[in-house]
Amino acid sequence: SSELTQDPAVSVALGQTVRITCQGDSLRSHYASWYQQKQGQAPILVMYGKNNRPSGIPDRFSGSTSGDPASLTITGAQAEDEADYFCGSRDSSDKRVFGGGTKLTVL
Amino acid sequence: QVQLQQWGAGLLKPSETLSLTCAVYGGSFSDYYWNWIRQSPGKGLEWIGEITHSGSTSYNPSLTSRVIMSVDTLKKQFSLKLTSVTAADTAIYYCAIWVPAAKKGYFLEWGQGTLAIVSS
Repeated sequence: SSELTQDPAVSVALGQTVRITCQGDSLRSHYASWYQQKQGQAPILVMYGKNNRPSGIPDRFSGSTSGDPASLTITGAQAEDEADYFCGSRDSSDKRVFGGGTKLTVL
Repeated sequence: QVQLQQWGAGLLKPSETLSLTCAVYGGSFSDYYWNWIRQSPGKGLEWIGEITHSGSTSYNPSLTSRVIMSVDTLKKQFSLKLTSVTAADTAIYYCAIWVPAAKKGYFLEWGQGTLAIVSS
């Protein structure tokens, strides 16, 4: 079982805003990071550190990466944002942990 | 920009050893930690373990008795061995770069993934 908890599925209408959350005690000590995984592909980093986006990630992605819960917000969701989203962090033993993932459907 | 390319055997029989290798292109090998993560079919991500450029390791407690990681700094490669595999080890295995940034660490890049199937 994951030490980070995510809602299994969330849906959003095209162009609307959606917030994906991640809960866990470790988030009180460590920042969350967020990963997008499209069908059949490896995950990619979409949010890290203090609400930082890697280059190439659209600015419609924002986040609150510190505190419990952490969250990833997509403002004006697009069809190409449909994917699984995983949060990641570290536990009290400095092991890496992931949430169970949230399947985002764009309607 | 750092990139990863991984390879290894994809079909194993129960009790065999899974062996995977990941090559690092670009970037400084000593700036990052080198990780393995797996994903069972239709499931979430499971962290397997990590090795630094100096060979220090940290493993998932649930797998530590069967995991061996190694690093070759000259070739800029790191490897995973998982012994005594069973069907429960069937998964896509990813290598990934961990950026050790105090409380803000994150996985910067991921390999393309290798599907390992354990079947008799």
